[in-house]
Amino acid sequence: AQTVTQSQPEMSVQEAETVTLSCTYDTSESNYYLFWYKQPPSRQMILVIRQEAYKQQNATENRFSVNFQKAAKSFSLKISDSQLGDTAMYFCAFKGSQGNLIFGKGTKLSVKP
Amino acid sequence: GAGVSQSPSNKVTEKGKDVELRCDPISGHTALYWYRQSLGQGLEFLIYFQGNSAPDKSGLPSDRFSAERTGGSVSTLTIQRTQQEDSAVYLCASSLSGAYYEQYFGPGTRLTVT
Repeated sequence: AQTVTQSQPEMSVQEAETVTLSCTYDTSESNYYLFWYKQPPSRQMILVIRQEAYKQQNATENRFSVNFQKAAKSFSLKISDSQLGDTAMYFCAFKGSQGNLIFGKGTKLSVKP
Repeated sequence: GAGVSQSPSNKVTEKGKDVELRCDPISGHTALYWYRQSLGQGLEFLIYFQGNSAPDKSGLPSDRFSAERTGGSVSTLTIQRTQQEDSAVYLCASSLSGAYYEQYFGPGTRLTVT
């Protein structure tokens, strides 16, 4: 069975600084997708970034980028130039052949002014 | 366009009562998912509908939970004889068919069983 582990329950960062959230996963599948979702206090889950496992190049979306290490089964999220609006829960998620998302426990990120 | 909508946004019910939670997916999305988010268990998959195929019910925690999707669109999650441990936020998501496509989430229904 696939598992997703986020080892940092809470993190904080100063506005404009850079922060990295960690995620590791376990799977025997070779073809899969990895996602980072953001959940602000409004409860709305929002996709931040997506990575296809067959792509070696790390995905980037504006201030958000990932460090995908397939052999190590690691998928960390880097947020550059942190903004107050980045304050939220961040969930790492795995999607394999089954179709549904498997989530980590989440990391609560606080951006301080 | 309109996103995924869920109703009600909050529901308080007494232990032992049945509840129905509704999800309206994005038009044209053939895949629909239900997840449960609770403090102790994080985000758990419950059930997955894909087109006209039989749903994947592998995440349903007990036979008190059931779901249906009518006409390939609206879905209803039913919890019978609610228990206090059913208290959670129930999230619905929809997507286009295919592993590549992202799941769009609704705002969730917060269920409180007293």
